Amino acid sequence: QQQVKQSPQSLIVQKGGISIINCAYENTAFDYFPWYQQFPGKGPALLIAIRPDVSEKKEGRFTISFNKSAKQFSLHIMDSQPGDSATYFCAASIGRDDKIIFGKGTRLHILP
Amino acid sequence: KAGVTQTPRYLIKTRGQQVTLSCSPISGHRSVSWYQQTPGQGLQFLFEYFSETQRNKGNFPGRFSGRQFSNSRSEMNVSTLELGDSALYLCASSLGDRETGYTFGSGTRLTVV
Repeated sequence: QQQVKQSPQSLIVQKGGISIINCAYENTAFDYFPWYQQFPGKGPALLIAIRPDVSEKKEGRFTISFNKSAKQFSLHIMDSQPGDSATYFCAASIGRDDKIIFGKGTRLHILP
Repeated sequence: KAGVTQTPRYLIKTRGQQVTLSCSPISGHRSVSWYQQTPGQGLQFLFEYFSETQRNKGNFPGRFSGRQFSNSRSEMNVSTLELGDSALYLCASSLGDRETGYTFGSGTRLTVV
């Protein structure tokens, strides 16, 4: 199944809080899981990515947690800031030359 | 370094017409992928071109087609436009390896009336 299911559709978090976005997949052949961030009027931009042989990857305030057995992965944004307000997409692909399949996106709003 | 350039930014077409969208990738990038973005469906993959050859294809009808030129610039064509084709069309360029990341353009907003 070439699908990535993302939740929630929208999320409101207080400034300084933790934002958590979840994704699930069925196809165990997926071997690369990036997250993209999109601001209004712009195209998505690569935020952080993980491979299934790693359970966690952290870059600054952004952390991906990966649960291979559950076929789930999530993005955690620590100390969320108003500037983090954007739409976030999880994604997956198979093999280095494969297309990237995106989830439907989560619209995140951080309250000041 | 120039980013990915998509033209035009906005387009209004009538049902039944055809449209051509253009994408100029980052210099040196040989892969161009096209996506359709709508509020209900998110980002849906259309196709990818690498060195002038279609390398991957999504599940869109044959009305959607594309091509890539020797300078890596790509065009996407939609024939016999339907109201449901109204969307933001994004192109993304990369070196050809997914792990170098896609760089997206700002998109072409197509409205079909």
